[in-house]
Amino acid sequence: SQKIEQNSEALNIQEGKTATLTCNYTNYSPAYLQWYRQDPGRGPVFLLLIRENEKEKRKERLKVTFDTTLKQSLFHITASQPADSATYLCAHLGSQGNLIFGKGTKLSVKP
Amino acid sequence: SQTIHQWPATLVQPVGSPLSLECTVEGTSNPNLYWYRQAAGRGLQLLFYSVGIGQISSEVPQNLSASRPQDRQFILSSKKLLLSDSGFYLCAWRARGSLETQYFGPGTRLLVL
Repeated sequence: SQKIEQNSEALNIQEGKTATLTCNYTNYSPAYLQWYRQDPGRGPVFLLLIRENEKEKRKERLKVTFDTTLKQSLFHITASQPADSATYLCAHLGSQGNLIFGKGTKLSVKP
Repeated sequence: SQTIHQWPATLVQPVGSPLSLECTVEGTSNPNLYWYRQAAGRGLQLLFYSVGIGQISSEVPQNLSASRPQDRQFILSSKKLLLSDSGFYLCAWRARGSLETQYFGPGTRLLVL
């Protein structure tokens, strides 16, 4: 079955460093992957989408890569700030138009 | 611009009681609508989706049901809640014909005691 996995439940980094989160997928080849941010007690908010024919996508301090050989997407936050602390979810499109999410990685940026 | 509302924000219910959670979308027509549940320490699980009024598909068999009485209204219900129904319920919409971004509501925190 199609699986999307975020192997790190939590990531702690120091302010100013680059945070790198990993999303792996198995048993399928998604046409694109999406990344969302979720704050405690809130719904996920869309951040970036990257298509399989795109190697990299950027938005301000955010960068997403898509490696179809490794079956992996990396999500980077450069010059991280405490306000970046949240749970970050990767997702792909399911057969019913729904999103299938990884379990998320909780990022904590310490000042 | 489009907005999505959910209520109530928080709900504490006894086991065996009924449930009704409501979701409404503004600023768009004919959206695809989704109910997800997020249990503590687990990912988002799709419960129901709807492509139109009266059209409901269920992903996971359980004691919950959903209805779509109007184009932009999506209701999640139960006749008798179980302890395992506790969780964070999220409604989301996606533009018809779009395979991309979903927009989520603020969620309802349900605690069944």
